Amino acid sequence: GAVVSQHPSWVICKSGTSVKIECRSLDFQATTMFWYRQFPKQSLMLMATSNEGSKATYEQGVEKDKFLINHASLTLSTLTVTSAHPEDSSFYICSAPQGGYTFGSGTRLTVV
Amino acid sequence: QKEVEQDPGPLSVPEGAIVSLNCTYSNSAFQYFMWYRQYSRKGPELLMYTYSSGNKEDGRFTAQVDKSSKYISLFIRDSQPSDSATYLCALCRTSYDKVIFGPGTSLSVIP
Repeated sequence: GAVVSQHPSWVICKSGTSVKIECRSLDFQATTMFWYRQFPKQSLMLMATSNEGSKATYEQGVEKDKFLINHASLTLSTLTVTSAHPEDSSFYICSAPQGGYTFGSGTRLTVV
Repeated sequence: QKEVEQDPGPLSVPEGAIVSLNCTYSNSAFQYFMWYRQYSRKGPELLMYTYSSGNKEDGRFTAQVDKSSKYISLFIRDSQPSDSATYLCALCRTSYDKVIFGPGTSLSVIP
């Protein structure tokens, strides 16, 4: 089945720094990748949709300059949280539509 | 009105019980319906994937979709402690469209 590998699993960073999260499709080509954020005891909220070779589509209220998404190849999509602040601390998850929507294992970001 | 509504629970049942989880939605354009299981600090795991109305069974899990009522259900038979997790319903309009998630129901199966 389709597998999405997400790294890192967890990261702690200082306020003001940037963090990059990678999602790789291991056995298929992902032209589309969805990026979600999940706060504790809440559901997944879609942040943006990345498409290989074109600009990402951001959901209303998501700052595109803060959450940079790059989908440079058919097997790699990245989310960079720029100038991170403590309120950006959350669980970030990517998903590809293949395999009934396959999810990565998630990245727990803590900004201190 | 939220696009997808789901009782957040928590729901606590004894081992072996039949569990019924439900979601309602407001947009009749949804055609694909999924149920995911999510353990704490993990990504969601697909349990059931159905298209349009009807029933689908896979092992101890049965998914039901009633598009006329905009109501979807997941039944878990012979529930096990390992079924303790958060269950998320998810919907989308087309097969590669963005997925809208329900808020999730927290389930505990007590041995």
